[in-house]
Amino acid sequence: EVQLVESGGGLVKPGGSLRLSCAASGFTFSTYSMSWVRQAPGKGLEWVSSISVSTGNIYYADSVKGRFTISRDNAKNSLYLQMNSLRAEDTAVYYCARDLQLYYWGQGTLVTVSS
Amino acid sequence: DVVMTQSPLSLPVTLGQPASISCRSSQSLVHSDGNTYFNWFQQRPGQSPRRLIYKVSNRDSGVPDRFSGSGSGTDFTLKISRVEAEDVGVYYCMQGTHWPRTFGQGTKVEIK
Repeated sequence: EVQLVESGGGLVKPGGSLRLSCAASGFTFSTYSMSWVRQAPGKGLEWVSSISVSTGNIYYADSVKGRFTISRDNAKNSLYLQMNSLRAEDTAVYYCARDLQLYYWGQGTLVTVSS
Repeated sequence: DVVMTQSPLSLPVTLGQPASISCRSSQSLVHSDGNTYFNWFQQRPGQSPRRLIYKVSNRDSGVPDRFSGSGSGTDFTLKISRVEAEDVGVYYCMQGTHWPRTFGQGTKVEIK
């Protein structure tokens, strides 16, 4: 069974940093691209970032470019999102999802940016 | 960026009756590899999104056959042949052809 489990969310002050993790199981992690998608409270879905199998191709939404960094550790079956210079508008549930067409999703982790 | 426009944004439906959601993209979603990477997602209340349909008309594993997707180019439709209570939620379209990936605003399906 495919499982994606996000962690690392929490309350952070504007300008602060947070690192999200996504632990994958039930599939061969190293052979799939991975993505992050977020959802602000009561709002729709917003794609954040994607990373290819080999990290050769990385993509970001303009809203996070230069502040967020996606990475992966295939040996640990894990996906990461380093979030710096956080703003109030980054407050959202962050989901990791498998592949570039978002087949499987995790349960999400809530990030709240507030003073 | 490719803009995805869904309609309607709210869809009250009667149990057992059909429902249809439209999604239009601001540019063609035909990829250079010949595929059209267009997906539909369902998000039930309090749950994570779940993909229902990929590449316009292919149902994901476990998706009931009352859900069907159609369309081409820039115009796409999700149809539910007979709405059941478990279909309540928000439905999103998403294009997976161009970067950045973009979603529609969401269509809230509720029972009358």
